[in-house]
Amino acid sequence: GENVEQHPSTLSVQEGDSAVIKCTYSDSASNYFPWYKQELGKGPQLIIDIRSNVGEKKDQRIAVTLNKTAKHFSLHITETQPEDSAVYFCAASHPNTGNQFYFGTGTSLTVIP
Amino acid sequence: EPEVTQTPSHQVTQMGQEVILRCVPISNHLYFYWYRQILGQKVEFLVSFYNNEISEKSEIFDDQFSVERPDGSNFTLKIRSTKLEDSAMYFCASRIEWGETQYFGPGTRLLVL
Repeated sequence: GENVEQHPSTLSVQEGDSAVIKCTYSDSASNYFPWYKQELGKGPQLIIDIRSNVGEKKDQRIAVTLNKTAKHFSLHITETQPEDSAVYFCAASHPNTGNQFYFGTGTSLTVIP
Repeated sequence: EPEVTQTPSHQVTQMGQEVILRCVPISNHLYFYWYRQILGQKVEFLVSFYNNEISEKSEIFDDQFSVERPDGSNFTLKIRSTKLEDSAMYFCASRIEWGETQYFGPGTRLLVL
């Protein structure tokens, strides 16, 4: 089955700096890659997603890049703010497995004011 | 904005007892999921449900687990005889159609003593 690896497990940045979180996946059939933000005591909230026919997607301060050949995708947060502090999860899915999501292990991001 | 809701938010039970976790997916969604997250670990897929039947389940979802959509709005996860290792946060998710993203509820924290 699919295996998603995520790095780093923890990340601290100064407010205003950029943060990058990287994920790799194993199954080349995976074609959908969402990123979720999870705040303490809450469920994962979708922040951005990308499909395999797109190499990059951007939404204000958040961007995701996908390299299908290397089977990795990354989340980029620019101009970080304290409210960006949370755990971020990447995931991968493909139709052959009922579109279930395979999650990475999560990255705890701390933005230092 | 429509959202997935879950009840209860917290549940404490004795080992061997039955628990039912409840979810109300977004009203026009057709696909439903249960995931769990053991403290400090990644979110893991349990089961997917479509057209009133299980479409896929993981190896975690053994005979102690069952799901049901008893009416047009609720989606439940039952654990017949809880074990200590069932202690986790359980998330319900739903999506409107094939290939679209999943929206997660806030979770139920289950503690088995």
